[in-house]
Amino acid sequence: QKEVEQDPGPLSVPEGAIVSLNCTYSNSAFQYFMWYRQYSRKGPELLMYTYSSGNKEDGRFTAQVDKSSKYISLFIRDSQPSDSATYLCAMTLSGGYQKVTFGTGTKLQVIP
Amino acid sequence: DTGVSQDPRHKITKRGQNVTFRCDPISEHNRLYWYRQTLGQGPEFLTYFQNEAQLEKSRLLSDRFSAERPKGSFSTLEIQRTEQGDSAMYLCASSLTDRENGELFFGEGSRLTVL
Repeated sequence: QKEVEQDPGPLSVPEGAIVSLNCTYSNSAFQYFMWYRQYSRKGPELLMYTYSSGNKEDGRFTAQVDKSSKYISLFIRDSQPSDSATYLCAMTLSGGYQKVTFGTGTKLQVIP
Repeated sequence: DTGVSQDPRHKITKRGQNVTFRCDPISEHNRLYWYRQTLGQGPEFLTYFQNEAQLEKSRLLSDRFSAERPKGSFSTLEIQRTEQGDSAMYLCASSLTDRENGELFFGEGSRLTVL
């Protein structure tokens, strides 16, 4: 069993839809939770991060962490064709230990 | 300011040959990471350096793989006696020690195809 599980998709939605992306994890020691976005043939780039449980909002993006359920989510409101990419959840331990463990990624396509 | 750069971007080699990839991190970043990504998978951790010290290696990194970071600047990842299973994208990333949020800055990767 992998430490981080993510539905690989692909997920295809019409422009303007609300998108929900999810991951589950098994290691309760994870403290920092991130979402990276990866466009085709590019390296991943950090989209959002949260520390411990709770919500964080940044424009059209909202990240949620539920540590009791070991479940994290990313919501995208008013999705745009430019949001079409692979979204990778990622997490790491606390204390400056920076080995980041990634999920398998969900490929999202937003259709105009 | 340039980001993380990797060279070559694409390498095609025959099984059994040796290959070397180079990564130049963002200049002030003291941590450097190598990840491997295969099609439809997320990046898998291989190894990381803090300055010139290699602090951790994954069990994925067999004896055929070696990474160096002389003088704490650029890094090289060498694969000896390549196998078809080594075909993947090799991603390099760098970060600052005081970034506890796990923000890694990735290069565009070096894609390896082993025939």
